[in-house]
Amino acid sequence: AQKITQTQPGMFVQEKEAVTLDCTYDTSDPSYGLFWYKQPSSGEMIFLIYQGSYDQQNATEGRYSLNFQKARKSANLVISASQLGDSAMYFCAMREGGSEKLVFGKGTKLTVNP
Amino acid sequence: DTEVTQTPKHLVMGMTNKKSLKCEQHMGHRAMYWYKQKAKKPPELMFVYSYEKLSINESVPSRFSPECPNSSLLNLHLHALQPEDSALYLCASSLYQGLDTSNQPQHFGDGTRLSIL
Repeated sequence: AQKITQTQPGMFVQEKEAVTLDCTYDTSDPSYGLFWYKQPSSGEMIFLIYQGSYDQQNATEGRYSLNFQKARKSANLVISASQLGDSAMYFCAMREGGSEKLVFGKGTKLTVNP
Repeated sequence: DTEVTQTPKHLVMGMTNKKSLKCEQHMGHRAMYWYKQKAKKPPELMFVYSYEKLSINESVPSRFSPECPNSSLLNLHLHALQPEDSALYLCASSLYQGLDTSNQPQHFGDGTRLSIL
């Protein structure tokens, strides 16, 4: 069973606008972490933001915020004030407590238009 | 610049060659990982080393041989690869401290783009 689902293969956004990338997850472990990574065409995988299952508040890191809805098992990434350099592949990932594995979704390709 | 350094950045090799990929981190992380990534796909886990011991091998063919000489260094030895092994190979590391690792992100290197002729 797929543990991380990203339903948007591709998204387009105008420069300076906000965009939401969707991620839903499935786990029975009460302790888990959710991560978002950015992968530009050059290949490096850049860690953006983390949300823990016990965190009461949504995580924020600069222009990135995570809309965490635990009951719906969703962890959407919000990018505010999009920039051309935000064009990349974005992966949602989950790590269950005590696990050595990071489980990735299939990714969403974001294109920022000028 | 990433804190996980991978060399070389690009590698072209024939099917009979032997080569090695190298990964280094100096963040004091005790878990290191090798991933294979094909174009437009998520990374696929290959191997995990925890405290310099191989803890996970995701049924990777024996033509890929990992090695962890010390806590900072991870190698992937390649021998008799096939054209379908052409991919981006990513190394990652994470802290791996305590029983609950769910709050520990993996930090990735820039990857090695491998082409098999």
